[in-house]
Amino acid sequence: DTGVSQDPRHKITKRGQNVTFRCDPISEHNRLYWYRQTLGQGPEFLTYFQNEAQLEKSRLLSDRFSAERPKGSFSTLEIQRTEQGDSAMYLCASSRARDGYEKLFFGSGTQLSVL
Amino acid sequence: AQSVTQLGSHVSVSEGALVLLRCNYSSSVPPYLFWYVQYPNQGLQLLLKYTTGATLVKGINGFEAEFKKSETSFHLTKPSAHMSDAAEYFCAVRMNTGFQKLVFGTGTRLLVSP
Repeated sequence: DTGVSQDPRHKITKRGQNVTFRCDPISEHNRLYWYRQTLGQGPEFLTYFQNEAQLEKSRLLSDRFSAERPKGSFSTLEIQRTEQGDSAMYLCASSRARDGYEKLFFGSGTQLSVL
Repeated sequence: AQSVTQLGSHVSVSEGALVLLRCNYSSSVPPYLFWYVQYPNQGLQLLLKYTTGATLVKGINGFEAEFKKSETSFHLTKPSAHMSDAAEYFCAVRMNTGFQKLVFGTGTRLLVSP
């Protein structure tokens, strides 16, 4: 396994700007998840894909957030009109049936700072 | 709804000492419970999980956890701490309604001193 990779590692943006993050899951992992983690908290679920279908979205995911997974491979998470409250670590994870779907493989995350 | 509570945001031990990280869960049905570890600058990785069967679960790197229904606990232990164990540890429970996502605790940072 080459691991889950996320790009960029860090993103600094000004309030009101749009940002997009990319996640490349482990190949053959058909499930992909986005989580958000703020200081002193554990990861909070945002959304999940089974192949290319987005099957679940958290109430944390406001209308300014959109995620895609075209062709069931990589995924992007876009935040429009960023707010200071969006500052967090955005984590991507993937899993497959053979490991039991609860065995999530996480990337190192994208740290977003909104000024 | 299922949830987990981790007691102590920081735990400090000496190298060679017992490691005990506490996790209590809340669930109206038998839970699936997990421990994940996050080493500096790395992604979270699964240490161990409890689903059904044996209540003492062994994981990687010498860690184990015991599911105690009577105490609603799933504490993580290791008999002898190593410097390389310094990391943040997260307890998690799998939701059993709707999409079975993992719900994580707030984490415990383990500090190991020589």
